[in-house]
Amino acid sequence: GDSVTQMEGPVTLSEEAFLTINCTYTATGYPSLFWYVQYPGEGLQLLLKATKADDKGSNKGFEATYRKETTSFHLEKGSVQVSDSAVYFCAFEISSGSARQLTFGSGTQLTVLP
Amino acid sequence: GAGVSQSPSNKVTEKGKDVELRCDPISGHTALYWYRQSLGQGLEFLIYFQGNSAPDKSGLPSDRFSAERTGGSVSTLTIQRTQQEDSAVYLCASRRRGGSSYNEQFFGPGTRLTVL
Repeated sequence: GDSVTQMEGPVTLSEEAFLTINCTYTATGYPSLFWYVQYPGEGLQLLLKATKADDKGSNKGFEATYRKETTSFHLEKGSVQVSDSAVYFCAFEISSGSARQLTFGSGTQLTVLP
Repeated sequence: GAGVSQSPSNKVTEKGKDVELRCDPISGHTALYWYRQSLGQGLEFLIYFQGNSAPDKSGLPSDRFSAERTGGSVSTLTIQRTQQEDSAVYLCASRRRGGSSYNEQFFGPGTRLTVL
């Protein structure tokens, strides 16, 4: 069935380190891909998205490229900050579906130390 | 403008009791979703509303779970005869409309349900 597999956490990095969180998906149809972020005590927020193959989503210094050939959407940031500490969720929705509900990965807890 | 709101923010109940969780979507958003975030299952889809109708209830885990939406706005998720495995954070999201073109789902802060 449809699913998302993302790198298990927790991940702990020092400030200014390079971040990669791996995400692969299994989906029927034509998925749009997303990264959501949940900061401590806050709700889920959309971080970035890509709606077709080879698109690159970017926001707040984070990037992810839609790789159809490897069914991947890895999240990267060149220099993390303490304020990036949060839980990150990879997700997709099927564009052709009527509900277009999101299917999420299990989440990756990121802690950035000063 | 106001975002998606949910109430209560926290609910503690005893096993076997019924609970109602409320979601107020963003005004004008016709599509509404309920999700559940639990330790064992991660974030999972429960039900989708387009207007007042629920064309997709495929994620509801058992017949103890039901949801309704009235006036194309407020939605209530009801869990009857709660069990300890129902303990989770219940998230509501809304989007401007369903359909073929992309538009973002906006999430509420969630209701944390604890079943003792």
